[in-house]
Amino acid sequence: AQKITQTQPGMFVQEKEAVTLDCTYDTSDPSYGLFWYKQPSSGEMIFLIYQGSYDQQNATEGRYSLNFQKARKSANLVISASQLGDSAMYFCAMREYSGTYKYIFGTGTRLKVLA
Amino acid sequence: EPEVTQTPSHQVTQMGQEVILRCVPISNHLYFYWYRQILGQKVEFLVSFYNNEISEKSEIFDDQFSVERPDGSNFTLKIRSTKLEDSAMYFCASSGDREVNTEAFFGQGTRLTVV
Repeated sequence: AQKITQTQPGMFVQEKEAVTLDCTYDTSDPSYGLFWYKQPSSGEMIFLIYQGSYDQQNATEGRYSLNFQKARKSANLVISASQLGDSAMYFCAMREYSGTYKYIFGTGTRLKVLA
Repeated sequence: EPEVTQTPSHQVTQMGQEVILRCVPISNHLYFYWYRQILGQKVEFLVSFYNNEISEKSEIFDDQFSVERPDGSNFTLKIRSTKLEDSAMYFCASSGDREVNTEAFFGQGTRLTVV
């Protein structure tokens, strides 16, 4: 079974509008962390934001926020006021407390911001 | 800002040859990882390394792969006899501790092309 599921292979958004990238996860571990990474066309992986399973509030980091719905096991990334530079691949990842602390990635969503 | 450094950025090798991909993790980090990404698709876990030994490896990480931390700063991935299907982007990552809310920092990747 997939631990991290990103169901949107590609998304378009108009510049200056908000966009939500979906991520659902599967774990029986009560303690876990959820992360979003951005991969621009240059290839590097850039950490954006994380959410801990015990965090009471949704994480925010500048124009990025995480819509964390624990009961639904979803951790959607919201990008507000999209910019052309936001065009990239976005990966959702999870780290569980049990095991060997590896990060498990979803298949990614390719976001294209339109001028 | 501390960063993970990978060399070379691009390597072309002939099928059957050995390659060594090099990484310098962030100096006070304890957990190290190798991931690979084929053609900008899913980021696949290869191996995690802690306390000078492998803590977990995936089924991709077969006998032709090995990792080493030879001198306390470098972290290397060796592919003994490369195959065409080993062509991919290889990412090294490190994290400071095993807490679930600690992000992994990624290097810029080594693009391996096997011909």
